[in-house]
Amino acid sequence: DIVMTQSPDSLAVSLGERATMSCKSSQSVFHTPNNKNYLAWYQQKPGQPPKLLIYWASTRESGVPDRFSGSGSGTDFTLTISSLQAEDVAVYYCQQYSNTPPWTFGQGTRVEIK
Amino acid sequence: EVQLVESGGGLVQPGGSLRLSCAASGFTFSTFYMSWVRQAPGKGLEWVANIKLDGSERNYVDSVKGRFTISRDDAKHSVYLQMNSLRTEDTAVYYCTSGMSEVWEIGHWGQGTLVTVSS
Repeated sequence: DIVMTQSPDSLAVSLGERATMSCKSSQSVFHTPNNKNYLAWYQQKPGQPPKLLIYWASTRESGVPDRFSGSGSGTDFTLTISSLQAEDVAVYYCQQYSNTPPWTFGQGTRVEIK
Repeated sequence: EVQLVESGGGLVQPGGSLRLSCAASGFTFSTFYMSWVRQAPGKGLEWVANIKLDGSERNYVDSVKGRFTISRDDAKHSVYLQMNSLRTEDTAVYYCTSGMSEVWEIGHWGQGTLVTVSS
């Protein structure tokens, strides 16, 4: 199984500042035939289901503010919030959905306001 | 608008069974993977099972193999999770998820249904 490791576990950032978090997979999630990384990012607020932010490692889901961006390839990925807003306080998860299940999640990164 | 509505959760004793249902609407149901993901109280997300778009392939996390069965009924636009031999560690909110046109594996989530396994 592919193990997903996120860092840090929690992050405190001032409003308007940049928040950056990492996700590393134990095996590459890049697929050569279609040149895609099978990696997604979700945002989860208390009492709500997760919301898809990013898929294919860097494609923003429709309606997601452009301050959210995803980057990386192979085994190392980053989610960046360019200018943190109060409504971005949440837990962020990465997930790999590579060919062979289980489609594992990272343990999450909690983002708070400093 | 895509909607996934879970039902069937509740309180069950250890060793008991429950069947979760997920009714889907707003998209071509037979096109995408359907999955179940769970979240224990105060914990992170755990992928549980999925079923391929044509039902030809089903996959499970090791901890539920032999106890849980995922199935789908394309005519009813529904996916199910039959859970047998339930354990206290199966206590969680269970979310139904589906793929979408841009990525067939993931994308949409239901609101979840709570399963509590306790004596």
